[in-house]
Amino acid sequence: DAGVIQSPRHEVTEMGQEVTLRCKPISGHNSLFWYRQTMMRGLELLIYFNNNVPIDDSGMPEDRFSAKMPNASFSTLKIQPSEPRDSAVYFCATRLAGDNEQFFGPGTRLTVL
Amino acid sequence: EDQVTQSPEALRLQEGESSSLNCSYTVSGLRGLFWYRQDPGKGPEFLFTLYSAGEEKEKERLKATLTKKESFLHITAPKPEDSATYLCAVQATTDSWGKLQFGAGTQVVVTP
Repeated sequence: DAGVIQSPRHEVTEMGQEVTLRCKPISGHNSLFWYRQTMMRGLELLIYFNNNVPIDDSGMPEDRFSAKMPNASFSTLKIQPSEPRDSAVYFCATRLAGDNEQFFGPGTRLTVL
Repeated sequence: EDQVTQSPEALRLQEGESSSLNCSYTVSGLRGLFWYRQDPGKGPEFLFTLYSAGEEKEKERLKATLTKKESFLHITAPKPEDSATYLCAVQATTDSWGKLQFGAGTQVVVTP
């Protein structure tokens, strides 16, 4: 298995632009989590899905952030419009129902100028 | 509100010099405490889950223990390849979906 796949790995954009981050979970995993990691705030949970349904989005910082999971093989995290303070590494993690272990992707490093 | 505090923030060890990392937590009820390892430029990698006070888990040179208020990660005779950031996280009993609250991590550097 290729593990959790995230794209792009690096994204540099200008303030005000729309950013879309993508995640392909491990086949068969039915829970998906989006995290953000910064030096100041550490690893923060933004939103998570179970069987493609959003369960808790209380960690999403603002309405500029949105996430979707249209099917079991794909999820997106969108920021519109982006701001410099959104610069961070964004991780996607997935889990098999009933298991404890979350498998993390390699992350997307986002820089907003 | 759930809180996870890790100490020290950073630890520099000589190869073979054993030490311990601390994770203090405050949670209404503990479903599980998790340890992850994160290498630079990579996502966290799962190490252990602990469920109840007194429980211990081991993996190579790492041993995790749990009390009612904290967990320790003991590194015995570390090697340079044990250099990484170690993250602790808790899951509350009120959550059944896998929602984790992470600490800030301890950065460990092991020199030859």
